[in-house]
Amino acid sequence: ETGVTQSPTHLIKTRGQQVTLRCSSQSGHNTVSWYQQALGQGPQFIFQYYREEENGRGNFPPRFSGLQFPNYSSELNVNALELDDSALYLCASSLLAGGNTDTQYFGPGTRLTVL
Amino acid sequence: TQLLEQSPQFLSIQEGENLTVYCNSSSVFSSLQWYRQEPGEGPVLLVTVVTGGEVKKLKRLTFQFGDARKDSSLHITAAQPGDTGLYLCAGVRWGANNLFFGTGTRLTVIP
Repeated sequence: ETGVTQSPTHLIKTRGQQVTLRCSSQSGHNTVSWYQQALGQGPQFIFQYYREEENGRGNFPPRFSGLQFPNYSSELNVNALELDDSALYLCASSLLAGGNTDTQYFGPGTRLTVL
Repeated sequence: TQLLEQSPQFLSIQEGENLTVYCNSSSVFSSLQWYRQEPGEGPVLLVTVVTGGEVKKLKRLTFQFGDARKDSSLHITAAQPGDTGLYLCAGVRWGANNLFFGTGTRLTVIP
């Protein structure tokens, strides 16, 4: 068990709606990364937050946004949901020190279904 | 488009057989990791290789990082049903902190 938790476990939304996913990082970690894993594929990097600021972003549109809080927990927000947003959303916490990220520990994910 | 391509995509073998999973890219990575993911769970790190040509062993699993740091392989000896899962390779590029995941290999070991 990694200590990284995510909520909710499952979520069903309709096209055009907005969704917020939450992640609590492992104790002692200061960095949270979010990944999208479509069915049958490997995870794809969405963005990373370090000390409450975005610290790198993958090839995702601006309707994917995030936050990191002072306790290093994080939220992923997706606006104007599309059918292709249906996926498992994973967060991973790690310790960023000296410009290098230590091992990333993944949560169990949130399964989002967009109808 | 994913930077890392894994092969095979699916693999179904009998208990006791050996297998190799390949992870290939045209890009160079500072390190490469292998994960295993089970249904309903996030990926769990198996190993990190950081030196070109490096070989690491974890019980029946052998991991190799290519000399040019563009590819890797995972070899499992005498597979067991408990090895069943989705195996993912993931590369780290110099100057970046995020992981670039491969396309995944779904392994089923039949008792």
